[in-house]
Amino acid sequence: DADVTQTPRNRITKTGKRIMLECSQTKGHDRMYWYRQDPGLGLRLIYYSFDVKDINKGEISDGYSVSRQAQAKFSLSLESAIPNQTALYFCATSAYVRGGADSTGELFFGEGSRLTVL
Amino acid sequence: AQSVTQLGSHVSVSEGALVLLRCNYSSSVPPYLFWYVQYPNQGLQLLLKYTSAATLVKGINGFEAEFKKSETSFHLTKPSAHMSDAAEYFCAVSKGGTSYGKLTFGQGTILTVHP
Repeated sequence: DADVTQTPRNRITKTGKRIMLECSQTKGHDRMYWYRQDPGLGLRLIYYSFDVKDINKGEISDGYSVSRQAQAKFSLSLESAIPNQTALYFCATSAYVRGGADSTGELFFGEGSRLTVL
Repeated sequence: AQSVTQLGSHVSVSEGALVLLRCNYSSSVPPYLFWYVQYPNQGLQLLLKYTSAATLVKGINGFEAEFKKSETSFHLTKPSAHMSDAAEYFCAVSKGGTSYGKLTFGQGTILTVHP
């Protein structure tokens, strides 16, 4: 089983609908992230959470919200989806061990959730 | 602010030829640098990372990258391409410290390998 699991893997929806993408991880990492991938733009950070009580906006948070339900779960919501939110969404995790080998912030990714908004 | 520029959105090589994927970065502090690979319909996986130790970094699948501070570059190379190397490659930079995991990614380079 994958260490970082995203559901759904594919979703087609209509403009104005509310959508939730879910992420769960078994890596035991405190830090979780949501990135968005668009062709030619690479990946851009939407939101990140360094622990259950910590939520931070990334560079493109407008139109999105998140919830960190537990250390292992981090969900992304689109309250009212619009076509330019059509993209591939990735959840990722990282460990944080001060001064340790994992202090560089290496990310571990899920397989992605492809969202199409019509 | 930090940024990453990958030169060339598409690179095509013949099987057995040298692979060179270019990455230049800007960072206000000594950076941590990463190369990730994405195979079709999969998430990203780490190829290698630079963490201020050796400037020549070896990764998985025969890839390596050299950190050149004077050129602000972190180019990815592989001496001999294999068909299985066909994928999209992303260079990324992090400030480390309290910014662990907040990576800034380049635009990606799609590598095609011809028989």
